[in-house]
This record gives sequence, C-alpha cells and structure tokens, in this order.
Amino acid sequence: GENVEQHPSTLSVQEGDSAVIKCTYSDSASNYFPWYKQELGKGPQLIIDIRSNVGEKKDQRIAVTLNKTAKHFSLHITETQPEDSAVYFCAAPSGGSQGNLIFGKGTKLSVKP
Amino acid sequence: ETGVTQSPTHLIKTRGQQVTLRCSSQSGHNTVSWYQQALGQGPQFIFQYYREEENGRGNFPPRFSGLQFPNYSSELNVTALELDDSALYLCASSLTGGETQYFGPGTRLLVL
Repeated sequence: GENVEQHPSTLSVQEGDSAVIKCTYSDSASNYFPWYKQELGKGPQLIIDIRSNVGEKKDQRIAVTLNKTAKHFSLHITETQPEDSAVYFCAAPSGGSQGNLIFGKGTKLSVKP
Repeated sequence: ETGVTQSPTHLIKTRGQQVTLRCSSQSGHNTVSWYQQALGQGPQFIFQYYREEENGRGNFPPRFSGLQFPNYSSELNVTALELDDSALYLCASSLTGGETQYFGPGTRLLVL
C-alpha cells in the first residue's frame, strides 16, 4: 500500500520568507496529491492539489511541484504571513482508491512577525 | 453552498460505552469518508460510504461501523470504547468518482 513521508516536522520562518515542505510517496500508481492546512481546533482545509499529468501548479502565494520519477512532491509558500501559521499535511491515494487518502505526519509551520 | 458539518463538536465518554457521531456532506456531494486523527498525527482512513453502502475500509476493527442515509448524511458508530479511541473524528465529502475531499470541523472524542 501507499506510504507517505513528510518533512520537516516543524518549520519556523520570518514573515516574508519562503517556506518549503517536502513529501515522498511509495506507490508509483498514485496520481493525485492534495495539500491540507489545519488550524488549531479545526478540520483540514484543502489549499492546493496536483495531478500527475502536470509538474507544477500555482495559486497566488502557494505552489506545488511534483516529480513522478523521484516520487516526491513539495509545497512552496512565498511571502509568508503570520496567518500561514498552521499544520500542513500532504496526502496521496492508497491503491487507487479515491476514498482512502494516506496522510503524512504533518509539518507545523510558524511564521514569526 | 453549505460545507461539511459535524455534530457534536465535543464528547466525553467512559470506557465500554458506545458513541454515534454525525456528518452532513457538502451540498451536491454523495460520498462520505471518515477519518480518525490522534493528537499530533495525520488523519487515518476509517471507511467510506457511497450510495448507502460501505465502499472501502481502513485498518479499524468491526466495532467501528457506519451508515449513510438517502440524503447522503452519515453516522459513525463506535462500540466498546477504549482509551485509545480518544481522537478527533473527521468526516470528508466528495463527488462520485471525485478525488477531492472536503473536511468538516471534526468531533473531539475523549474516552475516560
């Protein structure tokens, strides 16, 4: 089955700097990779996703890159703001099942003003 | 458009009791997945419901069961509660055949 590794587990940056979170996956058949942001006391919020037919996707200050050969994908946040502080999770589908997302262990991002 | 809602927000139970958690899917979504999130961990897949039937299950014992209703809302039932069942229980909805899942705020369960 799919296995997703995420690092770093914690990341602290100054406001305005960039932040990068990396994930690797094991199942070469996986073709969909979402990123979620979870604030304290809330459920995960989908912030961006990418499918395997593209290598990069951007949405304002957020971008995701995918390297299918190396089986890794990354989240890039530019011009970080204090409100970006949260736990970020990457995920990948297990065994092609659309219902079963396998999540990484999360990265706690702290943006210092 | 109404997002995914869950009830209750918090719940305290004792070992051996049972609990029912509820979820209303996002408008237009007919597929519901349940996840358990232990403190400091990523969500773990429990099961998915589509057309009122279980459509995939994770590594959880049979005392975790569910239902989906004709209006696509869903319940998660857990019997014989154990201390390790203390967690945030998340519901996510999606479209038929859709990969994108949208999560609710979760129900925080504490088992004493």
